[in-house]
Amino acid sequence: DTGVSQDPRHKITKRGQNVTFRCDPISEHNRLYWYRQTLGQGPEFLTYFQNEAQLEKSRLLSDRFSAERPKGSFSTLEIQRTEQGDSAMYLCASGTAYEQYFGPGTRLTVT
Amino acid sequence: RKEVEQDPGPFNVPEGATVAFNCTYSNSASQSFFWYRQDCRKEPKLLMSVYSSGNEDGRFTAQLNRASQYISLLIRDSKLSDSATYLCVVPPGFQKLVFGTGTRLLVSP
Repeated sequence: DTGVSQDPRHKITKRGQNVTFRCDPISEHNRLYWYRQTLGQGPEFLTYFQNEAQLEKSRLLSDRFSAERPKGSFSTLEIQRTEQGDSAMYLCASGTAYEQYFGPGTRLTVT
Repeated sequence: RKEVEQDPGPFNVPEGATVAFNCTYSNSASQSFFWYRQDCRKEPKLLMSVYSSGNEDGRFTAQLNRASQYISLLIRDSKLSDSATYLCVVPPGFQKLVFGTGTRLLVSP
């Protein structure tokens, strides 16, 4: 499968725990994006990378959130001290600014 | 005012019907517009781009009205497989996508 992959697909964690998600983009894509989607809403932009450089971060990305893309390949999104409000689908996408290919997402449930 | 606004629906239509969705946007400087489709519990996928002159792809037609700042998606001869959420996307620049809340379409036999 040459599409965008994300791991894990589902994560249940207790409030206060740290979680880390991984995204593997389509190999030839320089840009990698993270979005968050809650029920009944469209995806909301969190951050994006051009190769290994993180070029923009949304105000939604509080200091508990950190994203990295070492070597410009896969990316990780870490959430520290999770809160119930962090429960959502976390989507990764790669591509251009306009044509983005999304992964299947990681569904996070904070109990 | 939200950057991109859509009627969340759901729109319930019978097979074969024609249905249209509208989307309004607030950033008059936006240059590009898109419709994405999202099936239940799946990731969004690009359906079509919206060109200034309007464009058609089979049963789907997208239109842009810059003066009124809205875009539309028309689906003719609806199929059961068209049931999904249709997301309006209006990038504010060249970095990221800004999605509307989506309009849910349910096509029934």
